[in-house]
Amino acid sequence: GENVEQHPSTLSVQEGDSAVIKCTYSDSASNYFPWYKQELGKGPQLIIDIRSNVGEKKDQRIAVTLNKTAKHFSLHITETQPEDSAVYFCAASMSAYSGGGADGLTFGKGTHLIIQP
Amino acid sequence: DAGITQSPRHKVTETGTPVTLRCHQTENHRYMYWYRQDPGHGLRLIHYSYGVKDTDKGEVSDGYSVSRSKTEDFLLTLESATSSQTSVYFCATGARVSSSYEQYFGPGTRLTVT
Repeated sequence: GENVEQHPSTLSVQEGDSAVIKCTYSDSASNYFPWYKQELGKGPQLIIDIRSNVGEKKDQRIAVTLNKTAKHFSLHITETQPEDSAVYFCAASMSAYSGGGADGLTFGKGTHLIIQP
Repeated sequence: DAGITQSPRHKVTETGTPVTLRCHQTENHRYMYWYRQDPGHGLRLIHYSYGVKDTDKGEVSDGYSVSRSKTEDFLLTLESATSSQTSVYFCATGARVSSSYEQYFGPGTRLTVT
């Protein structure tokens, strides 16, 4: 089955600086890569996703890049703010372009992002 | 949060007792999922459902069963709870957006098995 590795496990950055979280996946058939943000005591919230036919996607201060050849994808957060502090999870599945099934997601183990004032 | 509620939100139970967790959605999404979250493991898929009475196993399904008799409800049952099932359980629903399915998560249920 799919295996997703996520690094680093903890990332501390100064407010206003950029943060980058990296993930690798093992199954070349995976084609959908979402990122989730989880605040303490809450469920994960989808913040951005990318499909395998796209190399990069941006939404305001966050962006995701995908390298299919190397089987890795990354989350980039620019101009970090205190409210960006949370645990971030990457995930992978084969649910893109599927005409029927919606497979469950395989998650990385998470990155605790700390924004230092 | 896609109109997902979970009940109970917290539960403490003893080893060997049966436990049922409930997930309710108001979005009429076809797909529903149960995950567990443990420190150092991220979230792992337990079971999922692709329609009423249609379910399938996930990565960590041993010791769990599910049922879905209505589109809006997805139940997770621990037939005989063990301490290794102490965890936070999240329900999610899946909706087709553009060319793929996006998943939305509920607030979670913290289960402690003593």
